Amino acid sequence: EVQLLESGGGLGQPGGSLRLSCAASGFTFSSYSMSWVRQAPGKGLEWVSTISRSGARTYYADSVKGRFTISRDNSKDTLHLQMSSLRTEDTAVYYCAKEWQQLESWGQGTLVTVSS
Amino acid sequence: SYELTQPPAVSVSPGQAASITCSGDRLGDKYVCWYQQKSGQAPVLVIYQNNKRPSGIPERFSGSNSGNTATLTISGTQATDEADYYCQAWDSRTVVFGGGTKVTVL
Repeated sequence: EVQLLESGGGLGQPGGSLRLSCAASGFTFSSYSMSWVRQAPGKGLEWVSTISRSGARTYYADSVKGRFTISRDNSKDTLHLQMSSLRTEDTAVYYCAKEWQQLESWGQGTLVTVSS
Repeated sequence: SYELTQPPAVSVSPGQAASITCSGDRLGDKYVCWYQQKSGQAPVLVIYQNNKRPSGIPERFSGSNSGNTATLTISGTQATDEADYYCQAWDSRTVVFGGGTKVTVL
């Protein structure tokens, strides 16, 4: 059974940084692209970023480009999202998801709140 | 940037069919997925590649995509199908979501 467990959410300061992690199990992690998707309170889904199987290629939404960095550690079956220069509009539940063109499985999400 | 448009809300009576549309420029040239999100839960993939159902998704969920419109149809809608539904396509190496449709089973 595929399991994705996000961690690292919490309260961040405007202009500050947070690092999210997603521990994967139940599938061959290194064989799949992985993505982050966020959902602001009461709003819809917004794609954030995707990383290729090897980590060689990364893709970002315009809203986070230059501020967020996606990475992965295939030896530890773990996905990361380094979030910098945080803005209040980054407040959301952040989900990690398996794959890219179709997001096959999702974690339960971790809440990031950006506020002073 | 590419945009997908969904109706904000759809109401359906139990046992009837519910149809949710998703429109975008030449959407029929792309693969469309649909996700179900129940209150307080993570989204679940219910349709991928326009009309394929993942393992474990009931047969009452079906999809189509042609021209500028993709449609998710729930046949014989049940109370448990009450949820938000999002369409999603892939364009220029980015994932695009529709705004979501709240399905209410009256």
